[in-house]
Amino acid sequence: SYELTQPPSVSVSPGQTARITCSGDALPKQYAYWYQQKPGQAPVLVIYKDSERPSGIPERFSGSSSGTTVTLTISGVQAEDEADYYCQSADSSGTSRVFGGGTKLTVL
Amino acid sequence: QVQLQESGPGLVKPSQTLSLTCTVSGGSISSGSYYWSWIRQPAGKGLEWIGRIYTSGSTNYNPSLKSRVTISVDTSKNQFSLKLSSVTAADTAVYYCAGDYYDSSGMGAWGQGTLVTVSS
Repeated sequence: SYELTQPPSVSVSPGQTARITCSGDALPKQYAYWYQQKPGQAPVLVIYKDSERPSGIPERFSGSSSGTTVTLTISGVQAEDEADYYCQSADSSGTSRVFGGGTKLTVL
Repeated sequence: QVQLQESGPGLVKPSQTLSLTCTVSGGSISSGSYYWSWIRQPAGKGLEWIGRIYTSGSTNYNPSLKSRVTISVDTSKNQFSLKLSSVTAADTAVYYCAGDYYDSSGMGAWGQGTLVTVSS
């Protein structure tokens, strides 16, 4: 079955830039999405269509795509950004959705 | 933006069928704006997409769960439902319903999640 691969953890100091990657063979053909999940809460969409930001999401969140890898970038990380981040996309047929394994962002 | 709320039994016995309902408020489930989706998350683990339904009744399922999953919609009640048969302890998880925008803008609306435990 199709898989998306993320690093298990990323650590960054406040004010620095965090980059979280997600790799998958179908990413050149399918949009990627990013969700933020804090403990005990439902996920929140922070990036859609590779690089678009929903209303209400701070400008420090951005997304990019290059080949089979997409990247979530958080510029000027704040303590409140500490959370699990999941990428999501579709398989090559476009009918089945899949999530990456998640990346725990720790703000040092 | 719509609001979603999951409901259903919190405890299911092994081999039985797990049944959950998601009630949509703040908009019509028939609007055509969303695919109505189910996602689950075992404790301490990642998100797993279960499947989705469109207002037309068209469904897509996770291939690994397809043989056990049925998602349906009741437009008269503004609800959609999940049935997962032959459950085992591995199906214990928080189950979320979500609205996945039809225009590919992502899963922008989520329920709060409901914990379902499979145990005798």
